[in-house]
Amino acid sequence: DTGVSQDPRHKITKRGQNVTFRCDPISEHNRLYWYRQTLGQGPEFLTYFQNEAQLEKSRLLSDRFSAERPKGSFSTLEIQRTEQGDSAMYLCASGISGQAGANVLTFGAGSRLTVL
Amino acid sequence: DAKTTQPPSMDCAEGRAANLPCNHSTISGNEYVYWYRQIHSQGPQYIIHGLKNNETNEMASLIITEDRKSSTLILPHATLRDTAVYYCIVRVANYGQNFVFGPGTRLSVLP
Repeated sequence: DTGVSQDPRHKITKRGQNVTFRCDPISEHNRLYWYRQTLGQGPEFLTYFQNEAQLEKSRLLSDRFSAERPKGSFSTLEIQRTEQGDSAMYLCASGISGQAGANVLTFGAGSRLTVL
Repeated sequence: DAKTTQPPSMDCAEGRAANLPCNHSTISGNEYVYWYRQIHSQGPQYIIHGLKNNETNEMASLIITEDRKSSTLILPHATLRDTAVYYCIVRVANYGQNFVFGPGTRLSVLP
């Protein structure tokens, strides 16, 4: 297993364009999280999936943001009509349900978005 | 989830033990203490977790006070590669929602 994969690693786009990030979690992990991180800040929670169900969304996830996890495998995070304030690192993490180990998350390397 | 308090920054000499404190005075009986770290430009990395007993793994030791209101993460022989932000998180086991990170402690290991 190669861990959590995120693609692309870097994305530069112009304001107003749409962007999509993909996350491939560890294969047996049924939990998947998206976070956003700006320079000097800790990761900010965006959304959480258990299998294919999106169980929680942060208030940070405006209507321009949408996340999906079809069939409970990979996940996509789309940002529509990007704004300069969307520039950040977008992190994906996965974990597996079951007692204390459920909170042991494995993170990907992140997708860095720059909006010009 | 219980709220945690950590010092914003700490220094440690290379080769010495780094002791990172975390206060969680409102912790509930079924909440675990988890530690993660984030090295610059990388995603966070799980380190260790515990309920009430002290725990040790290949990366670190976790000491939890008897009343469970505070804990200390110990890196026994800090190296320059341990320079990172360390996050202490308290959560109920097997609860998926609201997995949030606080500001953490920025540890600088000095040569």
